[in-house]
Amino acid sequence: DTAVSQTPKYLVTQMGNDKSIKCEQNLGHDTMYWYKQDSKKFLKIMFSYNNKELIINETVPNRFSPKSPDKAHLNLHINSLELGDSAVYFCASSHGDGGTQYFGPGTRLLVL
Amino acid sequence: AQSVTQLGSHVSVSEGALVLLRCNYSSSVPPYLFWYVQYPNQGLQLLLKYTSAATLVKGINGFEAEFKKSETSFHLTKPSAHMSDAAEYFCAVTRGGGADGLTFGKGTHLIIQP
Repeated sequence: DTAVSQTPKYLVTQMGNDKSIKCEQNLGHDTMYWYKQDSKKFLKIMFSYNNKELIINETVPNRFSPKSPDKAHLNLHINSLELGDSAVYFCASSHGDGGTQYFGPGTRLLVL
Repeated sequence: AQSVTQLGSHVSVSEGALVLLRCNYSSSVPPYLFWYVQYPNQGLQLLLKYTSAATLVKGINGFEAEFKKSETSFHLTKPSAHMSDAAEYFCAVTRGGGADGLTFGKGTHLIIQP
């Protein structure tokens, strides 16, 4: 069983479109995250979320919004996609006390 | 604020040689430190983790890292490199607690020469 899964694995879309990436974890963790990996492989936290707080990296445009229907899911919705949004997006989960973060396989987003 | 510096964007070693990947961190509180490995077109896999217990941490695939507070370092080593170790390696830090994300270094690409 996959611990942290993401769909879709690949996403190709046009500028200006709105898209969502889904993430699910079956580890019973209480905290989930979204990271962006750019073309130089640099990883940066975008959001972290548990049932108490949402922490937003201040550099993330407000076109990006996390949505959590329940503890096992944290989806990423992106409005008005731009060329610069092309990247690999990773979801992760952990027990939110410094616990190990387990990463999903990534979603490769290409904006044309 | 926290930060991580990985010295050397590319490191090349011969198969069977010692692997040393350097990581220095900056943190205002006692940190949790991690090494992750990323194989091509895959997600990140945890190699090892430091959480203020033993300063020498053993991980998977023969890797280990030593936490040195005086040097603010957490270097990753492996006595004998294998071809399958070729990958991207990331050092990361977090304060722990709440919903803290990881702050990553820029990564080191490990090349294994036959």
